[in-house]
Amino acid sequence: GENVEQHPSTLSVQEGDSAVIKCTYSDSASNYFPWYKQELGKRPQLIIDIRSNVGEKKDQRIAVTLNKTAKHFSLHITETQPEDSAVYFCAASRQGNNDMRFGAGTRLTVKP
Amino acid sequence: EPEVTQTPSHQVTQMGQEVILRCVPISNHLYFYWYRQILGQKVEFLVSFYNNEISEKSEIFDDQFSVERPDGSNFTLKIRSTKLEDSAMYFCASRDPGNIQYFGAGTRLSVL
Repeated sequence: GENVEQHPSTLSVQEGDSAVIKCTYSDSASNYFPWYKQELGKRPQLIIDIRSNVGEKKDQRIAVTLNKTAKHFSLHITETQPEDSAVYFCAASRQGNNDMRFGAGTRLTVKP
Repeated sequence: EPEVTQTPSHQVTQMGQEVILRCVPISNHLYFYWYRQILGQKVEFLVSFYNNEISEKSEIFDDQFSVERPDGSNFTLKIRSTKLEDSAMYFCASRDPGNIQYFGAGTRLSVL
């Protein structure tokens, strides 16, 4: 089955700096890669996703890149703000397959 | 905005007891999921459900677990004989036609 590795496990940045979180996956057939943000005690919420026919996707301060050859994808947050502080999870699945596997999560802390 | 709702928000039970966790998926979604998140750990896939049957299940979803869609709106997860290690946050999710999964707020299960 799919195995998703995520790093770093914790990341601390100064407000205004950029943050990058990286994930690798094992199943070359995976073609859907969402990123979820989970604030303490809350539900995971989708912040951005990318499908395998696209190499990069951007939404305001958030961007995701995908390298299918290397089987890795990354989340980039620019101009970080304290409210970006949360745990971020990457995930991978085959579109149409119902088994979505998550990475272990990255705890991002943005210091004011 | 429609959302996935889960009840109860917190369930406390004695070891060996049966529990039923309830979810109401978003009304026009056809795929439903249960995930588990042990405190401080990653979100783990348990099971997916489509067309009134299990579509996929993980190695965690053993004979102690079952799912059911008893009517047109509810989707339940039953744990037959709870163990201490079943203590976790259980998230229900439903999926839109674009493959995006929306999570409920979760049920915190505490097994004493």
